[in-house]
Amino acid sequence: DVKVTQSSRYLVKRTGEKVFLECVQDMDHENMFWYRQDPGLGLRLIYFSYDVKMKEKGDIPEGYSVSREKKERFSLILESASTNQTSMYLCASSSPGTSGIREQFFGPGTRLTVL
Amino acid sequence: AQTVTQSQPEMSVQEAETVTLSCTYDTSESDYYLFWYKQPPSRQMILVIRQEAYKQQNATENRFSVNFQKAAKSFSLKISDSQLGDAAMYFCAYWAGSYQLTFGKGTKLSVIP
Repeated sequence: DVKVTQSSRYLVKRTGEKVFLECVQDMDHENMFWYRQDPGLGLRLIYFSYDVKMKEKGDIPEGYSVSREKKERFSLILESASTNQTSMYLCASSSPGTSGIREQFFGPGTRLTVL
Repeated sequence: AQTVTQSQPEMSVQEAETVTLSCTYDTSESDYYLFWYKQPPSRQMILVIRQEAYKQQNATENRFSVNFQKAAKSFSLKISDSQLGDAAMYFCAYWAGSYQLTFGKGTKLSVIP
């Protein structure tokens, strides 16, 4: 079975802190994604990566950056956390190419609170 | 731009009964896929069912089935013989060949024992 893990289930940070959210998948997937989930807004794509060191902006990239140095790991970085970044963050992966999007595998999510 | 609309923020169903969750979408594409994802409380989101737009036959997966009306751009999910484990957020999603899935805002389903 595909396994997508995220480094923390719950995280509390202070405004202005630099925050790293880590995601690891064990199925050798080329595609990896970071979503933000907010009540009443559904899932919104922040960034995705279709290969090592490759990244593309999604719908809401402002205030975020990403890093993909190894195939299995995709990191989301909040350079200076703000209270409006309090949210649930979901990582996902899929097999290569756009056709891989037909089935994404999700991690358990990280609930981030910024005080 | 494609949009996916789930008009029911919350729904409830009695255990063993049938419930239908609604989803409509807007697209100018002729070839695309539609999905229903399930997110149980504090658990990972999983794919429930997938429908290819060029297929006339509605997809089914055990107790889960869809009613796909391409002309009406409607894609509803029917859950038969509802079980307590069906309680979850359900998201409808659309894909038309890019790297992006477009999700609806979700429907929270409660199952009443």
